[in-house]
Amino acid sequence: KQEVTQIPAALSVPEGENLVLNCSFTDSAIYNLQWFRQDPGKGLTSLLLIQSSQREQTSGRLNASLDKSSGRSTLYIAASQPGDSATYLCAVSRPGAQKLVFGQGTRLTINP
Amino acid sequence: DTGVSQDPRHKITKRGQNVTFRCDPISEHNRLYWYRQTLGQGPEFLTYFQNEAQLEKSRLLSDRFSAERPKGSFSTLEIQRTEQGDSAMYLCASSFGADTIYFGEGSWLTVV
Repeated sequence: KQEVTQIPAALSVPEGENLVLNCSFTDSAIYNLQWFRQDPGKGLTSLLLIQSSQREQTSGRLNASLDKSSGRSTLYIAASQPGDSATYLCAVSRPGAQKLVFGQGTRLTINP
Repeated sequence: DTGVSQDPRHKITKRGQNVTFRCDPISEHNRLYWYRQTLGQGPEFLTYFQNEAQLEKSRLLSDRFSAERPKGSFSTLEIQRTEQGDSAMYLCASSFGADTIYFGEGSWLTVV
């Protein structure tokens, strides 16, 4: 059974810092991995999708990497801003299965 | 493209009552998903449709839960004889094939 873990559960940093969020998964046989952002009381917004054959994806100040063999992914946020404050969730899918398995998320606070 | 739409956004119901949530996916998205999320947790998969066919159901989807997607367009999720443990946010998502999944804003259910 696939399990996804995100550490830390919460992170607070001053504005302008670069930061890394971590995601680990127990079964390396994944189809893809996605990072999502969730604002309080809202739905999820997809940030980056990495196919199992890829090593990283970039979008603006965000960069996500994937190391399937070690069961890890990181989300790098450059030059953090207060507007980046949200919960960040990673999720993996398995080949042939349609469901996403989510981690519990990292609640990020960027202090002005 | 108006995104994934869910209705109602909030529902308070008495224990034992039935509730129904509606989801309108992004047009032309052939896949539709339902997830459930409780406070502080990542979303948990409930069920998945490809067009009008319900192809996968989680063990979380007890016999009190039923989902439909007539004609492969909108979907409904009905919960019969609600229990306090059903209190959660119910998220709908859609995708075209195995591409990026787009989530709606969610429907909050409170059972009192």
